[in-house]
Amino acid sequence: DSGVTQTPKHLITATGQRVTLRCSPRSGDLSVYWYQQSLDQGLQFLIQYYNGEERAKGNILERFSAQQFPDLHSELNLSSLELGDSALYFCASSVGSSDTYEQYFGPGTRLTVT
Amino acid sequence: TQLLEQSPQFLSIQEGENLTVYCNSSSVFSSLQWYRQEPGEGPVLLVTVVTGGEVKKLKRLTFQFGDARKDSSLHITAAQPGDTGLYLCAGHSRGKLIFGQGTELSVKP
Repeated sequence: DSGVTQTPKHLITATGQRVTLRCSPRSGDLSVYWYQQSLDQGLQFLIQYYNGEERAKGNILERFSAQQFPDLHSELNLSSLELGDSALYFCASSVGSSDTYEQYFGPGTRLTVT
Repeated sequence: TQLLEQSPQFLSIQEGENLTVYCNSSSVFSSLQWYRQEPGEGPVLLVTVVTGGEVKKLKRLTFQFGDARKDSSLHITAAQPGDTGLYLCAGHSRGKLIFGQGTELSVKP
């Protein structure tokens, strides 16, 4: 158990809908990262927040957005869902924001878009 | 674009055999990590290597970081069925973790 929690574990929804994925970092960690894992693309970095502020952006679509709240939990919002958005979405956390710090991954949310 | 290429993609071996997984890039990384992931679960950090030429051992697993910090290898001695899983290397660069495509290892009893 990494100490990172994610909810829900599974999510099934239809195309065009909007969903919110939630992540709570390990106690004491200030950075939260979001990743998408699909069979054809592998594990791809989406976005990073540190202490409430966006720090780095990866291959995140405009239909996707995220935020980190004052209690440090984070939410990833996915809208206008398409079949291709079906994937595992992971949250990771670390103490700091630089390369020095190791990231610990949550168990993931499996999103299925039908 | 920074890329990490892992080889082989798939590996199926018998219990007791040795194996090596390679992770190569044309880019320099400040550190490199190896993860193991089981189906439906999140990646679990195995090791972080930081210094060029560094070698770290974790029981039967030996990790090496290339001198130029562009490549790494994972060697498993006397593989066991419990080693089965997806092994991922990931390079740290400017706050982002760049992942390789992974090596799917299957160890048969």
